[in-house]
Amino acid sequence: DQQVKQNSPSLSVQEGRISILNCDYTNSMFDYFLWYKKYPAEGPTFLISISSIKDKNEDGRFTVFLNKSAKHLSLHIVPSQPGDSAVYFCAASESDDKIIFGKGTRLHILP
Amino acid sequence: DTGVSQDPRHKITKRGQNVTFRCDPISEHNRLYWYRQTLGQGPEFLTYFQNEAQLEKSRLLSDRFSAERPKGSFSTLEIQRTEQGDSAMYLCASSPPISGVPRVFGSGTQLSVL
Repeated sequence: DQQVKQNSPSLSVQEGRISILNCDYTNSMFDYFLWYKKYPAEGPTFLISISSIKDKNEDGRFTVFLNKSAKHLSLHIVPSQPGDSAVYFCAASESDDKIIFGKGTRLHILP
Repeated sequence: DTGVSQDPRHKITKRGQNVTFRCDPISEHNRLYWYRQTLGQGPEFLTYFQNEAQLEKSRLLSDRFSAERPKGSFSTLEIQRTEQGDSAMYLCASSPPISGVPRVFGSGTQLSVL
């Protein structure tokens, strides 16, 4: 019973182009959503978050979009850079509690 | 204080042995979380503390698992009578009082049970 789903195990994007990572969730009680980035042999690093009262949050090259009616969120990275190659985890929480992670999407930025 | 520290980074043990991991959170963070990650999966929640109180435990945390945070600072996670299925990366994270969700993760302890 996966409450947070990342259906694309991997994604390859040309350097300089836009990377779009997608995430779906099933629990309508989730009110806070996060994206983490993970390099090999390291723990996840918090990237960006969004509250359910918003539909967009932007931080530099990273923008997260939330579509509550579709229970869908996406992370846009533009322009993509080589250092963005990593595994990206979508996560969600209910009432400021523990977070539930998706399985992750491995992003490859191609030169 | 440079972040969340976990010790050891790697642990190899034989089935049936007990192991203990340590996590030192960022000093001003009052919440501390333990997660477990296996290959190809996202981190799975195990338990979390607010100060020294253990507020929630996942059903993944069987009776062989115990976590403590005696003084509200560092935490330990002990696994008794390890099984091969316990092989995973054990991640610790912490967060400040203003934000409940885990913000900063340690590099994890990779456990291999032979």
